[in-house]
Amino acid sequence: KQEVTQIPAALSVPEGENLVLNCSFTDSAIYNLQWFRQDPGKGLTSLLLIQSSQREQTSGRLNASLDKSSGRSTLYIAASQPGDSATYLCAVIFTGANSKLTFGKGITLSVRP
Amino acid sequence: GAVVSQHPSWVICKSGTSVKIECRSLDFQATTMFWYRQFPKQSLMLMATSNEGSKATYEQGVEKDKFLINHASLTLSTLTVTSAHPEDSSFYICSAERQQETQYFGPGTRLLVL
Repeated sequence: KQEVTQIPAALSVPEGENLVLNCSFTDSAIYNLQWFRQDPGKGLTSLLLIQSSQREQTSGRLNASLDKSSGRSTLYIAASQPGDSATYLCAVIFTGANSKLTFGKGITLSVRP
Repeated sequence: GAVVSQHPSWVICKSGTSVKIECRSLDFQATTMFWYRQFPKQSLMLMATSNEGSKATYEQGVEKDKFLINHASLTLSTLTVTSAHPEDSSFYICSAERQQETQYFGPGTRLLVL
């Protein structure tokens, strides 16, 4: 079964710390992988999209990496701020899935002032 | 660009009534829209894939007669929860795909069935 896993479910860090959020997926045959941010009671905001042929993507303080062979992706957040507090979801389109996104359960991040 | 709206943003209804949720792509045409459901502290679960002008494709375990999906135009898809029950209370999110690029997500609709 094709699944996406995010562990731990929650993380609390002090402001200013650099942190890494992990995502693993069960099948290395993927079309792309995407990281989203979700604030409480809100929809999803796309942060970074990594195509299957890419190793990483960067946007501001965010850097996402992709290692298909090991079935892993990481989202690196530099110099965390309280405004980064949210739930971060990892989602994969597996090859042959016709654009269907398979989501992890997310990691709820709390950045303490 | 690539804005997706949902209406209503929240709705409370009595058990047994039907509720319609709209999903609109405001500045692009979407041949494919997706409907997800999210329970508290859980991930998004795909319910169905909606293609303009054709019947929706439902995921395993999703009752098509209970969750009616209509994709009448390239900018509008609707989800109707028929004969809603308390267990249907959830957060419903749609997304719209632009030219087979990434999906753009709506802000979600919170449904509470009393």
